[in-house]
Amino acid sequence: EAGVAQSPRYKIIEKRQSVAFWCNPISGHATLYWYQQILGQGPKLLIQFQNNGVVDDSQLPKDRFSAERLKGVDSTLKIQPAKLEDSAVYLCASSLWEANTEAFFGQGTRLTVV
Amino acid sequence: GEDVEQSLFLSVREGDSSVINCTYTDSSSTYLYWYKQEPGAGLQLLTYIFSNMDMKQDQRLTVLLNKKDKHLSLRIADTQTGDSAIYFCAEIPNQAGTALIFGKGTTLSVSS
Repeated sequence: EAGVAQSPRYKIIEKRQSVAFWCNPISGHATLYWYQQILGQGPKLLIQFQNNGVVDDSQLPKDRFSAERLKGVDSTLKIQPAKLEDSAVYLCASSLWEANTEAFFGQGTRLTVV
Repeated sequence: GEDVEQSLFLSVREGDSSVINCTYTDSSSTYLYWYKQEPGAGLQLLTYIFSNMDMKQDQRLTVLLNKKDKHLSLRIADTQTGDSAIYFCAEIPNQAGTALIFGKGTTLSVSS
């Protein structure tokens, strides 16, 4: 079974530029999560989708971050404009359904804002 | 609000046992988890325990749960150099949907 795919693996941008990350979850997984992991910290939830609907985006900085999950499969996370403090690893995870206990994580996209 | 707390570093010698401790926030969390993260890699689920259990054993891993103190521990027997990684404790608080809340991680260093 293929895992959660993310691209790109690495991205370096200047502050005030925009950037987009892509995630392809495990086939059949209804729930998709985006997490932000700042160096030295644990992952923090940004947004959770159930199929193509948003379940929780309470910690998403909506003035600069946006995410969508068209057709309930792939998802993109965008930052516009980026700030220095957005430098982090962005992790995508998926699980079968909302009550499922195991979330599978992708390798992440490491973003550096200079 | 409260955070999931973990000690930041642990150093052991190969063959010894490692014990990583965690204090979580919500006494009604149904599941508690241990994830492993190797350099440059995503998070890998190691094991989880249901809240009505006190202990769970899986090969070299033993998880102990003390609900009264909201304390979770992970014991790795016969620690190997390949166990060197960051270990994250995580919970799903009952009132907060289904997303994982992670601690800051414990870096385990195993020397030969």
